[in-house]
Amino acid sequence: GAVVSQHPSRVICKSGTSVKIECRSLDFQATTMFWYRQFPKQSLMLMATSNEGSKATYEQGVEKDKFLINHASLTLSTLTVTSAHPEDSSFYICSAVAGGTYEQYFGPGTRLTVT
Amino acid sequence: AQSVTQLDSQVPVFEEAPVELRCNYSSSVSVYLFWYVQYPNQGLQLLLKYLSGSTLVKGINGFEAEFNKSQTSFHLRKPSVHISDTAEYFCAVSNTNAGKSTFGDGTTLTVKP
Repeated sequence: GAVVSQHPSRVICKSGTSVKIECRSLDFQATTMFWYRQFPKQSLMLMATSNEGSKATYEQGVEKDKFLINHASLTLSTLTVTSAHPEDSSFYICSAVAGGTYEQYFGPGTRLTVT
Repeated sequence: AQSVTQLDSQVPVFEEAPVELRCNYSSSVSVYLFWYVQYPNQGLQLLLKYLSGSTLVKGINGFEAEFNKSQTSFHLRKPSVHISDTAEYFCAVSNTNAGKSTFGDGTTLTVKP
């Protein structure tokens, strides 16, 4: 149980285009989802906290207009990187928390490459 | 505010040797503590967690960790490592409200034959 999927696993896009990454909790309802960014050989950097039915809470320094987060249902959150640039290339990981618990279940990550 | 310090960025060890990966944390409130493992190009997998109760926590793959409140530490141990344990290990602390976690910088465990 407690499986989280991400789609796509890898994506290559051209500079200036937008790309959407989906995060789904497959067998539980996630009241909260988190989006992280990870650079090579580095730790996870929390980008935003996504709560179902409300606006995401962004961490300091994260551009909310560039990284659009939507948590439309208890099993799906999306991250859209708008007008992507090469510096947005990174590994993006989501996690989901089941209601009433404190454990995060992580997705497998999405490798974004902007050319 | 909370923070996590993983004291070793890289730990090389020979197969079947014991290993300890060190983690210290700071927080002004009660916390939950976690250890995760990450294999290349994959997400994080939970090894073990401390929420309350016994300070010695056993996890998957033969790992265990001990919560030491006075030393604010949560070191990860395994008595005998395998080649397959080679991976990145992250210690994380979460406050007891909403599950938002802070991660350490990670420790690269390399098990050599």
